[in-house]
Amino acid sequence: GESVGLHLPTLSVQEGDNSIINCAYSNSASDYFIWYKQESGKGPQFIIDIRSNMDKRQGQRVTVLLNKTVKHLSLQIAATQPGDSAVYFCAENIEADGLTFGKGTHLIIQP
Amino acid sequence: EAQVTQNPRYLITVTGKKLTVTCSQNMNHEYMSWYRQDPGLGLRQIYYSMNVEVTDKGDVPEGYKVSRKEKRNFPLILESPSPNQTSLYFCASSSGTSGRSNEQFFGPGTRLTVL
Repeated sequence: GESVGLHLPTLSVQEGDNSIINCAYSNSASDYFIWYKQESGKGPQFIIDIRSNMDKRQGQRVTVLLNKTVKHLSLQIAATQPGDSAVYFCAENIEADGLTFGKGTHLIIQP
Repeated sequence: EAQVTQNPRYLITVTGKKLTVTCSQNMNHEYMSWYRQDPGLGLRQIYYSMNVEVTDKGDVPEGYKVSRKEKRNFPLILESPSPNQTSLYFCASSSGTSGRSNEQFFGPGTRLTVL
């Protein structure tokens, strides 16, 4: 069943602002999480991942935060650009199982 | 170029006519997987394979078959397609044996319509 979800289906931000996309998961046994970006007409593209023994991981302009206490995952995008417009999915993984995806958040960038 | 390829990219067919969607990866990945994507439901896993000759059901396997005779190929078979299988299908591969890897690659997608 669906154990990963997102708080908002659509998020609208001004170009240049920081974006925060949230994700809640319900399975406390999940120990690996991934954020994907899907642009219109394309397949999902890996952005960043985090294992449950970490609470923060940074990439280029992106940061993933993991709060295991409240089973919450977030993706922060710094200085949002027009090219960041896409649907963002979080996914969880339990050892030896496949990935379970959330329903996605559509990030809209306003000029 | 490292990639996952799917064919066909678009297919319109009729109920009951068997079809196969091919998936191939050139990265020597062990793990491959099929997903379907439907509006409001996100990506749901159909089948996955951790290695050659090893396949397992995902969340929505009914009406689908897969095979993994070679490491690079993971075809999705619909023996008797029905309209509720109209969807956007993605194949994916990774170097981890359970999809746990920072090398997650998705194919471009196959849009299937079953009339």
